[in-house]
Amino acid sequence: QSALTQPPSASGSPGQSVTISCTGTSSDVGGSNFVSWYQQHPGKAPKLMIYEVSKRPSGVPDRFSGSKSGNTASLTVSGLQTEDEADYYCSSYAGSNTYVFGTGTKVTVL
Amino acid sequence: EVQLVQSGAEVKEPGESLKISCKGSGYSFSSYWIGWVRQMPGKALEWMGIVYPGDSNTIYSPSFQGQVTISADRSISTAYLQWSSLKASDTAVYYCARRRLGLFEYWGQGTQVTVFS
Repeated sequence: QSALTQPPSASGSPGQSVTISCTGTSSDVGGSNFVSWYQQHPGKAPKLMIYEVSKRPSGVPDRFSGSKSGNTASLTVSGLQTEDEADYYCSSYAGSNTYVFGTGTKVTVL
Repeated sequence: EVQLVQSGAEVKEPGESLKISCKGSGYSFSSYWIGWVRQMPGKALEWMGIVYPGDSNTIYSPSFQGQVTISADRSISTAYLQWSSLKASDTAVYYCARRRLGLFEYWGQGTQVTVFS
C-alpha cells in the first residue's frame, strides 16, 4: 500500500489557477470514486475540501474543484487567494476498508 | 455540532507505553468508523487504521499492523490509539477523524507525541 504520488510543490499568483495531480493505481484511485482532498495549514488539522472525486462540502468555495482520469485525480484551485496557501493531500479508498493518502503538495501564492 | 476532542500532548521515553484518546460528541458515536492518521515532523499524512465503535471491528494499515493497537469504548464515546513500547520514530502528531462513506469528514485537533531519552 504505497502513498499516492503528488508533486511536492505548486504555485501561482493571486487570481491565477493551480492544479495538483494525485497518481495512484487501479487498486486505489483508478478503482474508486472515493477520492478526497484535504487542506492543511501549518499547525492545524486537515480540512476536507473535496470528496467523491468532485463534490464540495458545504462551506468550501466553488473555486475548489476535483476530477479524475484513470489512475490520476486532480484538484484545481481557481482564482487563487492568499488564504489558499497551504499543504494539500489527496486520499483514496484502497479496498477492504483501507485508505491511502498522497505525498502532499505545498501550494504557494506568489 | 460534531466534535472530536483528543487528549493532550505527551512526552515519553523509549520503551514506555502510551494510550491516547479521541472523544466524540454531537452524533451517534457507535455508528461511524473512527480513523487514526500519523503525521511525522514535516512529513505527509499516513493512514494508520480505523475502528467501528459499534462492534469494535478494527482494520489496520499493513504499515502499522502489530505496531499499535486501535480500540474504542462506545459507552464513553471514545476511541484510542496505544503503544506498548514507544520508539523515537513514533514522534509525530496523531489525528483521529470520523469516517463517512469514503472520506474523513471531521477531525480532532491532533495529539503531539514526543519520544526521546
